[in-house]
Amino acid sequence: AQKVTQAQTEISVVEKEDVTLDCVYETRDTTYYLFWYKQPPSGELVFLIRRNSFDEQNEISGRYSWNFQKSTSSFNFTITASQVVDSAVYFCALSGIAGGTSYGKLTFGQGTILTVHP
Amino acid sequence: DTAVSQTPKYLVTQMGNDKSIKCEQNLGHDTMYWYKQDSKKFLKIMFSYNNKELIINETVPNRFSPKSPDKAHLNLHINSLELGDSAVYFCASSPPGLAGGGETQYFGPGTRLLVL
Repeated sequence: AQKVTQAQTEISVVEKEDVTLDCVYETRDTTYYLFWYKQPPSGELVFLIRRNSFDEQNEISGRYSWNFQKSTSSFNFTITASQVVDSAVYFCALSGIAGGTSYGKLTFGQGTILTVHP
Repeated sequence: DTAVSQTPKYLVTQMGNDKSIKCEQNLGHDTMYWYKQDSKKFLKIMFSYNNKELIINETVPNRFSPKSPDKAHLNLHINSLELGDSAVYFCASSPPGLAGGGETQYFGPGTRLLVL
């Protein structure tokens, strides 16, 4: 069975601080995909990134960066120079492929509530 | 030009009633999903359809019945609503994937269901 753990329930920072959201996953699949989604106070789920299990390169997109480490089954998300608009619930998720144990479905972590204070 | 849309956005109803939530996507995707988000924000898949065919049914009570009239629509009908059904229901869709899964899922705005 697949599992995603986001150990940080809530994080509070002051604007311009850097913040890292942790994500640890478990799966028996050899091919899988990892995702991050953002849920702002308005409630919608916004896709941020998708990474497959064979690509361990770190990725940077503006103030966002992701660190995928297969050896520790982690896919952490860092926001540099945080802003008030970054305040949201952030979800890490895991998906398998056909023939795997979790074809097509997203297994979500519990979410991390990030509050950025001005 | 909404990608994944859901109606209604809010639904307040009495216990025992039957209600439906509609979902439509204009992304040309083949696969659609229903997820439930509970009061603690936990998201869990309920159903998935690929080209109108049910492919995932995650031990959801029989009172929940999805229906896909075509690949752009996936509706959710709930019979005999219970207090515990109160949640936010999200529809999502994803494009066909070469690997048969793992494609990015794009979510609708959610339907907030409150059962009194």
